[in-house]
Amino acid sequence: RKEVEQDPGPFNVPEGATVAFNCTYSNSASQSFFWYRQDCRKEPKLLMSVYSSGNEDGRFTAQLNRASQYISLLIRDSKLSDSATYLCVVNDGYSTLTFGKGTMLLVSP
Amino acid sequence: DAGVTQSPTHLIKTRGQHVTLRCSPISGHKSVSWYQQVLGQGPQFIFQYYEKEERGRGNFPDRFSARQFPNYSSELNVNALLLGDSALYLCASSSDWNTEAFFGQGTRLTVV
Repeated sequence: RKEVEQDPGPFNVPEGATVAFNCTYSNSASQSFFWYRQDCRKEPKLLMSVYSSGNEDGRFTAQLNRASQYISLLIRDSKLSDSATYLCVVNDGYSTLTFGKGTMLLVSP
Repeated sequence: DAGVTQSPTHLIKTRGQHVTLRCSPISGHKSVSWYQQVLGQGPQFIFQYYEKEERGRGNFPDRFSARQFPNYSSELNVNALLLGDSALYLCASSSDWNTEAFFGQGTRLTVV
């Protein structure tokens, strides 16, 4: 049973579009939540942590619903440079980061 | 400030051989974790070390082992390599065991 499930993708959107990624996790004891971005054949890079109150960083908004065990990432005004794979990541409360498979985003001119 | 550094960046080994991968965490970070990423999948947790002690172990065979040194750098060892061990091996460092993790560029291991 997968512990972190993400939209399968890929998402193909034009520049300027708004795109939303969804993620669910199975471990109710999970304590911290993150979105990472990974470019092709590169390492994952932290995009943002996700807090229960929701948080925003420029064009990016992340939300967490602990009751539903659901995490989302919204990207507004997509740029070509946003093209990457977005990884939903959950810390199990001990030591393990559990990653989803990732959702690929392709932004076209 | 230097980020997480891993060596080597690329490696080709033959089945049955042994490999050692190395990682230096961000200065001041005491936690190092290792992940394996195969094509098309998210990274899979292998080990975490915090203050030189193993804090967690993923679902990997005993051929995989690791250690952390007094300067918080770490090694991942894999014995009796199989073709299926071909992957990107990522090291992540964090200031504590449950805070944001920052990844090195990875070691791309190919087993032939």
